[in-house]
Amino acid sequence: EVKLVESGGDLVQPGGSLRLSCAASGFSFSTYRMHWVRQAPGKGLEWVSGITNDGYFTTSVASVKGRFTVYRDNAKDTLYLQMNSLRDDDTAVYYCAKGLVNSWAWFDPWGQGTLVIVSS
Amino acid sequence: QPALTQPASVSGSPGQSVTISCTGTSNDVGSDDLVSWYQQHPGKAPKLIIYKVNNRPSGISSRFSGSKSGNTASLSISGLQAEDEADYHCCSYTTVNTLVFGGGTKLTVL
Repeated sequence: EVKLVESGGDLVQPGGSLRLSCAASGFSFSTYRMHWVRQAPGKGLEWVSGITNDGYFTTSVASVKGRFTVYRDNAKDTLYLQMNSLRDDDTAVYYCAKGLVNSWAWFDPWGQGTLVIVSS
Repeated sequence: QPALTQPASVSGSPGQSVTISCTGTSNDVGSDDLVSWYQQHPGKAPKLIIYKVNNRPSGISSRFSGSKSGNTASLSISGLQAEDEADYHCCSYTTVNTLVFGGGTKLTVL
């Protein structure tokens, strides 16, 4: 069974930093692209970042470029999201999701999410 | 503002059919067939129900179907059941190597 478990969510002040983790199991982690998707309270989903299986290529939504970095450790089957210069509007549940082998196209499955609250 | 436009809410009675639209541009929905749909129950993670416009993952009911015409994709649900009450989100790959979602549609089963 594919399982994704996020952790690292917390209350952080504006301008602060946080690192999210996503532990993967049940599949060959190093074969698949991975993603982070977030959902602000009461809002829709927003794709945040994606990373290729080898970690050499990443892509992100414009609003997080220069502030968020996605990376992975294939030896530990773990995906990360380093978030710096956090803003109030980064408050959301952050989900990690398994992508495809050779495409960015869709996400399946998703983890249960971890809550990030940015507030003073 | 979400990149893709979905109705905020739709409703239907048990046994009826509903359709949810998802309108984008030639840079996303209209560019290829990489449109997907997700079902999300309250407090739960989203679940893939349609990929590549009209394909269902294993285990997803045939009552769910997808289509696309030009820059608009659609999700249809037939034979509505109480368990279908949820939020539905469309997603599309874009020509600039990103992904975009719609704002989500709340389905109420009357």
